[in-house]
Amino acid sequence: KAGVTQTPRYLIKTRGQQVTLSCSPISGHRSVSWYQQTPGQGLQFLFEYFSETQRNKGNFPGRFSGRQFSNSRSEMNVSTLELGDSALYLCASSVSGTSGNNEQFFGPGTRLTVL
Amino acid sequence: AQRVTQPEKLLSVFKGAPVELKCNYSYSGSPELFWYVQYSRQRLQLLLRHISRESIKGFTADLNKGETSFHLKKPFAQEEDSAMYYCALGNTGNQFYFGTGTSLTVIP
Repeated sequence: KAGVTQTPRYLIKTRGQQVTLSCSPISGHRSVSWYQQTPGQGLQFLFEYFSETQRNKGNFPGRFSGRQFSNSRSEMNVSTLELGDSALYLCASSVSGTSGNNEQFFGPGTRLTVL
Repeated sequence: AQRVTQPEKLLSVFKGAPVELKCNYSYSGSPELFWYVQYSRQRLQLLLRHISRESIKGFTADLNKGETSFHLKKPFAQEEDSAMYYCALGNTGNQFYFGTGTSLTVIP
């Protein structure tokens, strides 16, 4: 089985721009979660999608949004970029996302740099 | 509020020595706890979960509800254990909370 893929792997943007990141989960996985990883804060949960519906949302401003398509692929969008948005954005997929019984498989991440 | 605390950012041990990576959590419900590991230039991957009560690569972790801890232990560290380790908590709402991670270095 192919693993979780994320595109692009690297992005450089300037303040005020917007960006869209893409995640393709493992085939058969219906849950996709997004995380922001920074050296100081570690991994912070952004949101989780299941069957095209956002089931859970972390404590991030509305500039961060996402969606999931019928094939379970997911996109994350960040509008009006700020310097503090520079981070590694990780996507993880699982079969159904039920914690405890479902292992999350992580992608390689997209490194976003905001100048 | 749900929170996961890993008090040690860096931990160094000699090969063959015991290792313990600390994890404390804050959660009012019944927690699901995990340890994830990231080896150099590899993806974050699940190491073990408390619900399975398993030993992976010689590592074990016991959930102590009284102390709200889920420390990761290995009796004899190996060089290949050098990695970044993250403790994570999953709640009933399917949200995951990760600690800030502990970088383990095993000295030959």
